Amino acid sequence: DTAVSQTPKYLVTQMGNDKSIKCEQNLGHDTMYWYKQDSKKFLKIMFSYNNKELIINETVPNRFSPKSPDKAHLNLHINSLELGDSAVYFCASSSPGRGVYEQYFGPGTRLTVT
Amino acid sequence: SQKIEQNSEALNIQEGKTATLTCNYTNYSPAYLQWYRQDPGRGPVFLLLIRENEKEKRKERLKVTFDTTLKQSLFHITASQPADSATYLCALARDDKIIFGKGTRLHILP
Repeated sequence: DTAVSQTPKYLVTQMGNDKSIKCEQNLGHDTMYWYKQDSKKFLKIMFSYNNKELIINETVPNRFSPKSPDKAHLNLHINSLELGDSAVYFCASSSPGRGVYEQYFGPGTRLTVT
Repeated sequence: SQKIEQNSEALNIQEGKTATLTCNYTNYSPAYLQWYRQDPGRGPVFLLLIRENEKEKRKERLKVTFDTTLKQSLFHITASQPADSATYLCALARDDKIIFGKGTRLHILP
């Protein structure tokens, strides 16, 4: 059983387009995250949601908007894609409650903007 | 600003020896420190967590130390095997914040 899943695994798109990445966890965790890992392999947190409430919103352009329909899902929508958005995006979840504990990561979505 | 440094980008260790990876940090007081393993094309996998009031934690062939005075954590893999080859990331966390280091690519040579 997949604990944290993301779709799609690969996403190739052109500048200016809008795209979404979906994430689901079946671990019953309260908190979900989006991370960006750039070409230099730096893993940086973008957003954190706890029970559908936004907890962390790092300095991310407002072209990026997370949406959490329920505590098992956290989707990432990106408007007006730019070349610099090319990276691997990881979803993660953790428990219990508030605070950052051990993270369970999804397989990643490799986004390439041309 | 907060900074994490992992000792080297890449580390080559002979099979059977102990691999030691270093994580140093500045301008931060983490409540706990975590180590993750990342294989190419995959998401990081949690290995160990150590709290600020703990000095050492062990799990099978893995050992982590945490020195809040030196602001340093050491991650040891004893009796290393080629299957231990991967990138290892350290992460510092307090409350809702977590920051990751760039990682060290470990190669265990047969």
